[in-house]
Amino acid sequence: EAGVTQSPTHLIKTRGQQATLRCSPISGHTSVYWYQQALGLGLQFLLWYDEGEERNRGNFPPRFSGRQFPNYSSELNVNALELEDSALYLCASSLEPDQPQHFGDGTRLSIL
Amino acid sequence: AQSVAQPEDQVKVAEGNPLTVKCTYSVSGNPYLFWYVQYPNRGLQFLLKYITGDNLVKGSYGFEAEFNKSQTSFHLKKPSALVSDSALYFCAVRRTGRRALTFGSGTRLQVQP
Repeated sequence: EAGVTQSPTHLIKTRGQQATLRCSPISGHTSVYWYQQALGLGLQFLLWYDEGEERNRGNFPPRFSGRQFPNYSSELNVNALELEDSALYLCASSLEPDQPQHFGDGTRLSIL
Repeated sequence: AQSVAQPEDQVKVAEGNPLTVKCTYSVSGNPYLFWYVQYPNRGLQFLLKYITGDNLVKGSYGFEAEFNKSQTSFHLKKPSALVSDSALYFCAVRRTGRRALTFGSGTRLQVQP
C-alpha cells in the first residue's frame, strides 16, 4: 500500500511569491491534514480537509489556504510568502476519526 | 485548550539498556494520545496510540507506552534500545471530537553503541 506522497520535495521561493504544495493521501483515506514544522516553533496544525471541505484550521493567517479535490488529494497554497514561512510542510491522512494520522515525508519550503 | 510537554530535549542511553521518553499532557475530556518518530529528512512515522482500554499500549518496533490518568502522562518505553532507534520522538494529543493533533516539542533519542 502506497503511503502519503507529497510534491515537490523541495521548493525555493522569494519573498512575496506564492507556493503550491501537493499531497496524495493513502488510498481510501478521505481526511487530509496539513502541518508546519518550523525551526523553533515545532509542529503546528494548519488545516484539515474532509470530503472536499475545509473542516478546521489552525492559528495561521488567511494567506495559508488550500483545497481538497474529488479524488481526496489536496493542495496547500501560501500567498505573499514571508521569510518565516520557511519550514517543512507535512501532509497526513486518515481513514476514520479513531485511526492515527499517517504522514508523508514533507515539502521543504525555503524562502530567500 | 490542549497541550503536550516533553520535558527532555535529549535522552541518551546505551544500546541494550531500557529507554524511557517522557510525555505529559493537558486536555479537556478523554485524551487520544500518540507517539511518532521522525528520522532525518523524513516525515513522522506512527508508533502507537492510546484511545481507551488497557493503560499499557504496545506498538511498532518493540515500543510501548503507559497511560497514567492521575499523572496525565504517556511515557514511551522500550526494554532494550537499539542504535537504530536513534531519532526524534514526538508525543501528540487530541481531544474527543477534534482532529487536530497538538505535538510536544520533541525528544531526541541517542542510543550509543
